[in-house]
Amino acid sequence: DAGVIQSPRHEVTEMGQEVTLRCKPISGHDYLFWYRQTMMRGLELLIYFNNNVPIDDSGMPEDRFSAKMPNASFSTLKIQPSEPRDSAVYFCANTLLAASSGNTIYFGEGSWLTVV
Amino acid sequence: AQKVTQAQTEISVVEKEDVTLDCVYETRDTTYYLFWYKQPPSGELVFLIRRNSFDEQNEISGRYSWNFQKSTSSFNFTITASQVVDSAVYFCALSEAVRDSGYALNFGKGTSLLVTP
Repeated sequence: DAGVIQSPRHEVTEMGQEVTLRCKPISGHDYLFWYRQTMMRGLELLIYFNNNVPIDDSGMPEDRFSAKMPNASFSTLKIQPSEPRDSAVYFCANTLLAASSGNTIYFGEGSWLTVV
Repeated sequence: AQKVTQAQTEISVVEKEDVTLDCVYETRDTTYYLFWYKQPPSGELVFLIRRNSFDEQNEISGRYSWNFQKSTSSFNFTITASQVVDSAVYFCALSEAVRDSGYALNFGKGTSLLVTP
């Protein structure tokens, strides 16, 4: 299994531009999470999906942020318009939830976003 | 409120020393899960261990060991005979078995470990 695949790995964009981050989850893993990591706030949960349905988006900072999961093999996190304070590492993570136990959550390698 | 506290922001040790990274958590659930992740300088998050709240047995994996104590709400991580390759940021995380939570992780702020030759 290739694990959680994220793209792009690095992106530098100008303020005001639209940014789209992509995630290909592990096949069969039914929960997908988007996290953001900054020096100031550490690792924060932005949104998560269960079977492609958004369950909790309370961590999404502003309306400029949106996330979709059109099918079980693809998710996007979009920022429009981007601002310098959005500069962070964005992680996509996956888990296969068993009824009786929490399962390991596997992370992608992250997308390093810089907004100038 | 912070659910996971890693009081040590930075630790520096000399190679071959033992080092313990502290983690204190807060939850009202009786069923929960604790994790440790390693983030090396390359940036990826590497899973190290998961422990559920019903299993207080300590665990050892090579030079790594974990001490889970429900009485003090702690889940400490010890590296024995540290090596330079252990230099990384280590995150402790809590996952609560709340319905529809998807077992999302609440992370501590991390402890940056530097092992020098």
